[in-house]
Amino acid sequence: AQKVTQAQTEISVVEKEDVTLDCVYETRDTTYYLFWYKQPPSGELVFLIRRNSFDEQNEISGRYSWNFQKSTSSFNFTITASQVVDSAVYFCAPNQAGTALIFGKGTTLSVSS
Amino acid sequence: DAGVIQSPRHEVTEMGQEVTLRCKPISGHNSLFWYRQTMMRGLELLIYFNNNVPIDDSGMPEDRFSAKMPNASFSTLKIQPSEPRDSAVYFCASSYPRTASGNTIYFGEGSWLTVV
Repeated sequence: AQKVTQAQTEISVVEKEDVTLDCVYETRDTTYYLFWYKQPPSGELVFLIRRNSFDEQNEISGRYSWNFQKSTSSFNFTITASQVVDSAVYFCAPNQAGTALIFGKGTTLSVSS
Repeated sequence: DAGVIQSPRHEVTEMGQEVTLRCKPISGHNSLFWYRQTMMRGLELLIYFNNNVPIDDSGMPEDRFSAKMPNASFSTLKIQPSEPRDSAVYFCASSYPRTASGNTIYFGEGSWLTVV
């Protein structure tokens, strides 16, 4: 079974600040996936990234970057130069292929102008 | 391509009434998930199916809840009788584990249920 801890319940930043959302997971599986989802105020759950446990390379997509550290079971998400549209709840979740995502409480990010 | 389609998007019903939520997964996906989201409990997994077979229903709150997947393109979540504490957003999601993209799980827009 997997478990995830997003210790930051709420984060508030001002536009253009960089912000890092922490994610620490627990799993007994040797092969697993890690996900980040975004839930904006409109309510839908938007897939951001999927990372295979064998691939420890960091990934950058525009203003978004992810730092996967298998040794510390962390998969942190950084938004560079945050924007108001980044305001949302962000969920990190580990899982195995074919199984369900088990979500933590998420981190609520508020970006003010 | 069409995403996961849920209906109804919004429903208000009276306590004691039967509620049926519907979901059409992404074509070709063989795993389907039902989640419930409330302020108090966050996002909870209710049940999931692989190849139309329920795999884990341990999250189903009680006997008032039932879920079916009669074929690969349709699933229902039924609450009978409904209670005010069932008010929540119910998400359906689907995935296809064996593709190169792995098991990315895609969510529908949710069904917002209010029981009064």
